Amino acid sequence: DGGITQSPKYLFRKEGQNVTLSCEQNLNHDAMYWYRQDPGQGLRLIYYSQIVNDFQKGDIAEGYSVSREKKESFPLTVTSAQKNPTAFYLCASSIVGTGSYEQYFGPGTRLTVT
Amino acid sequence: GESVGLHLPTLSVQEGDNSIINCAYSNSASDYFIWYKQESGKGPQFIIDIRSNMDKRQGQRVTVLLNKTVKHLSLQIAATQPGDSAVYFCAEKGTASKLTFGTGTRLQVTL
Repeated sequence: DGGITQSPKYLFRKEGQNVTLSCEQNLNHDAMYWYRQDPGQGLRLIYYSQIVNDFQKGDIAEGYSVSREKKESFPLTVTSAQKNPTAFYLCASSIVGTGSYEQYFGPGTRLTVT
Repeated sequence: GESVGLHLPTLSVQEGDNSIINCAYSNSASDYFIWYKQESGKGPQFIIDIRSNMDKRQGQRVTVLLNKTVKHLSLQIAATQPGDSAVYFCAEKGTASKLTFGTGTRLQVTL
């Protein structure tokens, strides 16, 4: 059963703590992405990775960090430097080099920081 | 820079009617566009895509129209059903494999 999973679905943290969101895919996709979604808004790109051990900043990378040590995994750390971390976080993956740009999304993690 | 926007934030449609969701884009060099559907609390799901060498593409109950002259994209849903209620996003392909998403239109289907 192929797909992309994110865990946990809901996450609560105190201000000042770093937190890591998990994203795993078994679709054999080369590229992976992290988006942030605020209520009533679209998706904003945080980081993306097109190949293992390489990643690039998206539009709103400040206060976030990622790693891509394995093709299947792309964890996102929300650091204490992120001023407004409460949001819905979405991970996605896509094939590279086939001419298809469809991104497959996970179910999301809702992070609440108080 | 690139931007993708939508004309209407909320669209209310009666069950059985056709829905039309519009999207404007600003990058005339964009060569690929995609529509997603997002239900509350879930990740976006692919609906349909279209390349810039096409004007129209049809799927099951959905049609995407692309007007490159005015940089406009629309998603038509035929015989709208309650299960179609969701937020719909258009996106355009940017550099590398990145997609730039619009802010979304909420489709409400009334009985």
